[in-house]
Amino acid sequence: GNSVTQMEGPVTLSEEAFLTINCTYTATGYPSLFWYVQYPGEGLQLLLKATKADDKGSNKGFEATYRKETTSFHLEKGSVQVSDSAVYFCALRENTGFQKLVFGTGTRLLVSP
Amino acid sequence: DTAVSQTPKYLVTQMGNDKSIKCEQNLGHDTMYWYKQDSKKFLKIMFSYNNKELIINETVPNRFSPKSPDKAHLNLHINSLELGDSAVYFCASSQDLASVGAFGYTFGSGTRLTVV
Repeated sequence: GNSVTQMEGPVTLSEEAFLTINCTYTATGYPSLFWYVQYPGEGLQLLLKATKADDKGSNKGFEATYRKETTSFHLEKGSVQVSDSAVYFCALRENTGFQKLVFGTGTRLLVSP
Repeated sequence: DTAVSQTPKYLVTQMGNDKSIKCEQNLGHDTMYWYKQDSKKFLKIMFSYNNKELIINETVPNRFSPKSPDKAHLNLHINSLELGDSAVYFCASSQDLASVGAFGYTFGSGTRLTVV
């Protein structure tokens, strides 16, 4: 079946450090891929997406590139801020059945000043 | 102005009670979803409605019953609440089934249910 695997957290960084959160997927074909962010006490917000291989999604300084060779969609940011502290979810959209979103387990990011 | 709104935001109730959570979206979307987020932040789909028709019904106890009176509303009723039902429940919507790949979902801010 379709699944998403994310690195375990929490990821703890100092402000201005480089961020990578790993995400790999298992799916039929080439699904659309997403990163969502959940700030404390809030719902999930779409951060970025990529709909086909080699696409790069970007938003608010975050980037992720759809790599079909490694079935990965790692999230990166060059310089994190305290305000980036949140839980980040990688997700794929199934290509079969009802084409729902399937989420990874989330990775908590903690950024200290 | 809120795109997907859920009520209540917090719900504390005793075991055995029956409760409802309401969701409304003003985006004109055709498809709505309920997800459950457990204490470890894992998100699992429960139900989905497309144009008021139930299309996804995952392995969920039949104490949970969704209802969609119209495309803009999807409610969740839970009978005989148990301690294990404590979680955050998220409502979400998408324009339609075909556009999920391009636009994903829009989520509500969640309902934190605590069963004591």
